[in-house]
Amino acid sequence: GQNIDQPTEMTATEGAIVQINCTYQTSGFNGLFWYQQHAGEAPTFLSYNVLDGLEEKGRFSSFLSRSKGYSYLLLKELQMKDSASYLCAVLDSNYQLIWGAGTKLIIKP
Amino acid sequence: GAVVSQHPSRVICKSGTSVKIECRSLDFQATTMFWYRQFPKQSLMLMATSNEGSKATYEQGVEKDKFLINHASLTLSTLTVTSAHPEDSSFYICSATGTSGYNEQFFGPGTRLTVL
Repeated sequence: GQNIDQPTEMTATEGAIVQINCTYQTSGFNGLFWYQQHAGEAPTFLSYNVLDGLEEKGRFSSFLSRSKGYSYLLLKELQMKDSASYLCAVLDSNYQLIWGAGTKLIIKP
Repeated sequence: GAVVSQHPSRVICKSGTSVKIECRSLDFQATTMFWYRQFPKQSLMLMATSNEGSKATYEQGVEKDKFLINHASLTLSTLTVTSAHPEDSSFYICSATGTSGYNEQFFGPGTRLTVL
């Protein structure tokens, strides 16, 4: 079956750095997405990786290793507004998005 | 950027009534639209995928007669929850695939449905 694993919850301090991991086992791979979702709101796009390596976009970076079925989202200089759930999703061979359960990130002052 | 709207944002209805939710792509033509349901503290659950002018493809376990999807144009899809019951109370989110090369999904703001 298809499976995406990410931690349920993480806590970090304002101004610090946090890494949210995601491992996946899917039938085929056409890219991996990270989305941010604040409580009661729809997800918003953060990043897309299809090739191995690190993609940097401001305070957020996303890494992919296809051979390991592994990705991480790195958030730097954490701000209180970064408190949200972070969803990892993989586009499988049928171009269907397989969603992880999300990681709730709690930022403390 | 690509914008998707959803209406209504919140709806409260009595058990047994039907509720229609609209999803519109405002500045692009959406060849494919998706309907998700999300229960509290859970991830998104894909309900169905719809392409303009054709019947929706429903995920296993989703009743097509209860959740009617119409994708009449490249900018509008509707989800009708028929004979709603309290267990249908959830956050319903639509998304649309835009024209970017990697099938990025643009999400609507979601509709909070509460069935009394």
